[in-house]
Amino acid sequence: ILNVEQSPQSLHVQEGDSTNFTCSFPSSNFYALHWYRWETAKSPEALFVMTLNGDEKKKGRISATLNTKEGYSYLYIKGSQPEDSATYLCAPHFGNEKLTFGTGTRLTIIP
Amino acid sequence: DTAVSQTPKYLVTQMGNDKSIKCEQNLGHDTMYWYKQDSKKFLKIMFSYNNKELIINETVPNRFSPKSPDKAHLNLHINSLELGDSAVYFCASSQGTGNRELFFGEGSRLTVL
Repeated sequence: ILNVEQSPQSLHVQEGDSTNFTCSFPSSNFYALHWYRWETAKSPEALFVMTLNGDEKKKGRISATLNTKEGYSYLYIKGSQPEDSATYLCAPHFGNEKLTFGTGTRLTIIP
Repeated sequence: DTAVSQTPKYLVTQMGNDKSIKCEQNLGHDTMYWYKQDSKKFLKIMFSYNNKELIINETVPNRFSPKSPDKAHLNLHINSLELGDSAVYFCASSQGTGNRELFFGEGSRLTVL
């Protein structure tokens, strides 16, 4: 069983503040790391797919970094807005052809 | 047009019944998946098809049988439903695997009474 951990499990952030959270995963046999944003009552939507050690990706106020050697990725949100409230899932992809999803970080932005 | 659509969105049925959930994608993708969101909110892979061929078959009861009539469709049939089958089932698709993002359907909530 592959151990994918996301921390914290939940987070409350004041509107306008910046925040970040972590995804940890086994570093062996790594292939790619996916981040998804999952709003309540909707379906998960892809944010980033990262493959190379040291990768940094950015989409608007959201960015992510990847360290494949030590097995972690950070997701950053700058200047949080109420619409950022969602659960953020990471999913590493290993050589066995399947994504393994973490339990997510539930982010609530306080207006 | 919804890219990945699942029907039905809600399904309430009695134990022992047989039911199907359908999934269609209009993205031209070659890989489709079924995920189950369990009671702890984990998304767990059940099956994956690439060009109508089964490539991932996780340890699920053989009461669950996927069927892919063509690349755009992946249906999930469940025989002899049990209480523990109650969950939200998500269909997804991607172009290839691994470093390609998944596009999810809106989920089908199955409740077994």
